[in-house]
Amino acid sequence: RKEVEQDPGPFNVPEGATVAFNCTYSNSASQSFFWYRQDCRKEPKLLMSVYSSGNEDGRFTAQLNRASQYISLLIRDSKLSDSATYLCVVNEGYSTLTFGKGTMLLVSP
Amino acid sequence: NAGVTQTPKFRVLKTGQSMTLLCAQDMNHEYMYWYRQDPGMGLRLIHYSVGEGTTAKGEVPDGYNVSRLKKQNFLLGLESAAPSQTSVYFCASRSGTSGVAKNIQYFGAGTRLSVL
Repeated sequence: RKEVEQDPGPFNVPEGATVAFNCTYSNSASQSFFWYRQDCRKEPKLLMSVYSSGNEDGRFTAQLNRASQYISLLIRDSKLSDSATYLCVVNEGYSTLTFGKGTMLLVSP
Repeated sequence: NAGVTQTPKFRVLKTGQSMTLLCAQDMNHEYMYWYRQDPGMGLRLIHYSVGEGTTAKGEVPDGYNVSRLKKQNFLLGLESAAPSQTSVYFCASRSGTSGVAKNIQYFGAGTRLSVL
């Protein structure tokens, strides 16, 4: 069974801090990668796709390392509203996506 | 834009009762999915469909049935509910056809089901 592994956390950080999450995947043939965000008792929502060259969206930076089979998400200048669970998602080229169990982030004042 | 709509939002069943969860999407997506999410377990795929009239089993299909008679609708049925099926159920859809966004899944707001 193909796996996507994440540290469940929680990561407790103060406002303004920089925090990074990693995710590892087992299938070297995986084709596309995403980070989703899930707020408490809500549905997952796409945060950003992850491109081979790395990509940035405001305070969020995603990186892909195919050789080591991991994906990272960096959040700069953390806000209280960033508190959520972050899901790493991998498409292996099949009809389904593989979701990690998520990393919980708690940002405190 | 409605996106993916799930009904009902909440339901309480007694053991042995049956029910159907409805998922509707208005994005003309080919692929649709049913997941359940339990504490510490993450999202687990129950069944999915790659097009109208097709269905396939996911990771945890036992005790559930599905139908995709219309492209925009994906129904999840519980024939005889058990307490182990107490969970939050999410429906999702994705284009699956072409373009950069073809693999992005869009989720409904979820159905919270309790089986007593």
